[in-house]
Amino acid sequence: RKEVEQDPGPFNVPEGATVAFNCTYSNSASQSFFWYRQDCRKEPKLLMSVYSSGNEDGRFTAQLNRASQYISLLIRDSKLSDSATYLCVVYGGSQGNLIFGKGTKLSVKP
Amino acid sequence: DGGITQSPKYLFRKEGQNVTLSCEQNLNHDAMYWYRQDPGQGLRLIYYSQIVNDFQKGDIAEGYSVSREKKESFPLTVTSAQKNPTAFYLCASSAQRDWEGDTQYFGPGTRLTVL
Repeated sequence: RKEVEQDPGPFNVPEGATVAFNCTYSNSASQSFFWYRQDCRKEPKLLMSVYSSGNEDGRFTAQLNRASQYISLLIRDSKLSDSATYLCVVYGGSQGNLIFGKGTKLSVKP
Repeated sequence: DGGITQSPKYLFRKEGQNVTLSCEQNLNHDAMYWYRQDPGQGLRLIYYSQIVNDFQKGDIAEGYSVSREKKESFPLTVTSAQKNPTAFYLCASSAQRDWEGDTQYFGPGTRLTVL
């Protein structure tokens, strides 16, 4: 099983839609979790950290299920500017470092 | 303006040549990292440094070398021993010396192409 797995997409959604991304991780000892956003040919930028109690930042909601080793990101009222690749990142992999998923590509259409 | 800078943005290299990628940060971060990203792949860690004059190998260190003589600078040399060096190279930094729960901030990256 890969350490961090994401559905590669692409997810093609209309403006205003709600879209959810899922991520699973293999190391039950993982301690910290993040979602990064990466635009085409650009560097990843932190979108939000993921806390055990779940957290929300505007239209974005992140949730963590430690028992199932599952992380999610929900985007409500999608905007054209949300089009990007969303990277699930887990700290506490087998070598004690950050492990990046391959990313899920989102395309929001007018 | 605080941040991480990488240069050059694009780099072309002939086979058999060593090249050095620059990474500078003025965030006063202790830790710095180098990653490689290939199309459709996740980021893979090459080297990291948690303090000046010390660095550790990541998952794919073979064919690469680094130095950390100054807190602000963490240059990466891609040597001729790296068999498939064409990739997008990303430098990152974080404030804490240990990994736990810390956030990494990335530079704009260098695209290296071997001709």
